Amino acid sequence: KNEVEQSPQNLTAQEGEFITINCSYSVGISALHWLQQHPGGGIVSLFMLSSGKKKHGRLIATINIQEKHSSLHITASHPRDSAVYICAAPYGGSQGNLIFGKGTKLSVKP
Amino acid sequence: DTEVTQTPKHLVMGMTNKKSLKCEQHMGHRAMYWYKQKAKKPPELMFVYSYEKLSINESVPSRFSPECPNSSLLNLHLHALQPEDSALYLCASRRGLAGTGELFFGEGSRLTVL
Repeated sequence: KNEVEQSPQNLTAQEGEFITINCSYSVGISALHWLQQHPGGGIVSLFMLSSGKKKHGRLIATINIQEKHSSLHITASHPRDSAVYICAAPYGGSQGNLIFGKGTKLSVKP
Repeated sequence: DTEVTQTPKHLVMGMTNKKSLKCEQHMGHRAMYWYKQKAKKPPELMFVYSYEKLSINESVPSRFSPECPNSSLLNLHLHALQPEDSALYLCASRRGLAGTGELFFGEGSRLTVL
């Protein structure tokens, strides 16, 4: 069982819709990463958060450490937001490695 | 400069070839990582370097040989690879191993082994 679970696995939205991707984890962590990967491309770090909420442009990430749950929201979605969104939690003590969720493939239609 | 630069972007090699992948960052990060990513799967950790020393080797076959010549540069030497080694190879860096510093990824090197 993966210790980081994402939902949904696939998501199709119309341009302009508000989007939510959820991440639940069973490991004890101090911070969670949200990452974005476009088809065939590298990974971009969107957020690293340990409490509360962070906002960057149309992206908002929230985390509840007690409930071991995080959400990534996209407001006014656009076709260029189409990508795989991955949440990842650090593990292994001081080694700094990440447990990755399986990703949510988002497709935003014009 | 907040980039991790990987070269080449694409590489095609035969099973008897020797090639190398290169990763460079100038953010002063002292932890650098190699990940392997197969299609539609999350990245899998291969190696971790901390202060130019190999910290983790995730039981990677010896046909993959990492090298960290200085704090800005990380290489992955490839020799006698198999077709199943075809994948996207991602490099990442962070300020240090401990704590919760942000991880910066490169665009990856897409490797095809014929």
